[in-house]
Amino acid sequence: NAGVTQTPKFQVLKTGQSMTLQCAQDMNHEYMSWYRQDPGMGLRLIHYSVGAGITDQGEVPNGYNVSRSTTEDFPLRLLSAAPSQTSVYFCASSYSFGTGHSPLHFGNGTRLTVT
Amino acid sequence: SQQGEEDPQALSIQEGENATMNCSYKTSINNLQWYRQNSGRGLVHLILIRSNEREKHSGRLRVTLDTSKKSSSLLITASRAADTASYFCATAPGGYNKLIFGAGTRLAVHP
Repeated sequence: NAGVTQTPKFQVLKTGQSMTLQCAQDMNHEYMSWYRQDPGMGLRLIHYSVGAGITDQGEVPNGYNVSRSTTEDFPLRLLSAAPSQTSVYFCASSYSFGTGHSPLHFGNGTRLTVT
Repeated sequence: SQQGEEDPQALSIQEGENATMNCSYKTSINNLQWYRQNSGRGLVHLILIRSNEREKHSGRLRVTLDTSKKSSSLLITASRAADTASYFCATAPGGYNKLIFGAGTRLAVHP
């Protein structure tokens, strides 16, 4: 049982490049989400999904796309990287978050630098 | 703006002392959660307290919730060096599918 797995751990991009951050969970969780963490700002929600085929926007969705074709995977796509997207990105999942009583399980993050 | 705000931003104590962190939030909630983040790692869930609960314990952790003041506190008793981490409170305003985090409290426990 690996939990939430994020790849890659580190990535450097040039401005304008695109890439996909991968997230997979093996806990059969319906709910998955992406956060970014910047110094002194805590975590900010980018996108989330309550089940396969369903996604919605969080607090800071601009510049990012997501899809949820399977229960296990929730990739985050950066369409045209900008220096402002330099951050640590965390994927998290939950058994049934909509009830409000199920905690999030986090991956160990992807550290992205955009030059 | 963020839903939850932790106070203090940073806390430095000696091993064996108690550490208290506070969290204030803005809108009604169904529950409030506390997470810990060790340096360079993802967040780990510590405890969840529901809106109809006033206090909850888990090992050396004690969480209180005052919905009238829209505030919560996390107490770590008999702190250890291994408790050094950042601690975050999080809420889902209005019970929707968005868990919103505060900026966190950085706790340093010195041997």
